[in-house]
Amino acid sequence: GENVEQHPSTLSVQEGDSAVIKCTYSDSASNYFPWYKQELGKRPQLIIDIRSNVGEKKDQRIAVTLNKTAKHFSLHITETQPEDSAVYFCAAYSGNTGKLIFGQGTTLQVKP
Amino acid sequence: GAVVSQHPSRVICKSGTSVKIECRSLDFQATTMFWYRQFPKQSLMLMATSNEGSKATYEQGVEKDKFLINHASLTLSTLTVTSAHPEDSSFYICSADRAEAFFGQGTRLTVV
Repeated sequence: GENVEQHPSTLSVQEGDSAVIKCTYSDSASNYFPWYKQELGKRPQLIIDIRSNVGEKKDQRIAVTLNKTAKHFSLHITETQPEDSAVYFCAAYSGNTGKLIFGQGTTLQVKP
Repeated sequence: GAVVSQHPSRVICKSGTSVKIECRSLDFQATTMFWYRQFPKQSLMLMATSNEGSKATYEQGVEKDKFLINHASLTLSTLTVTSAHPEDSSFYICSADRAEAFFGQGTRLTVV
């Protein structure tokens, strides 16, 4: 079935450093890749997304890259701030199944 | 963006009782909604796809007789956890039928 692998499971960086989270997906029909930030006890919030016809997308300090051939996509956060600390989830959406499959999550800690 | 409202946000019930969770799309019609379950420090696991006017589609390993889903209108889907047990305690969250999943606030279910 569909599967999304996310690494690392935990990531600790100093304030101002960059953070990178990587995901791989198995369903070649996946065509949309959102990233979510979830704070404790709250719903996931969409922070950035990318579609399969684009290789890279940037929004201020956040960027996402996609390699369809390798079925990899990554989240890059630059100039990290303590308020970036949260759990981040990648996901892959298949137009064939209509399902959004999530990665296992990465707990990001930004130390002041 | 689209608004999805979920109710209740928290519920505590006794073992053996049933609990109903509502998911409403407030500003759009959702022919499909998705129900997820999230255990502490884990990812969102898709439980079932709720289809307006037809039977829900359950993911492998999810008991359809235990987790009853009703999608009677284009704006409302309900999940009923029947004969709840402590192991059903979890964070349940719905989303509407967009690739850009808009999540409800989630429901923290505690079965005592």
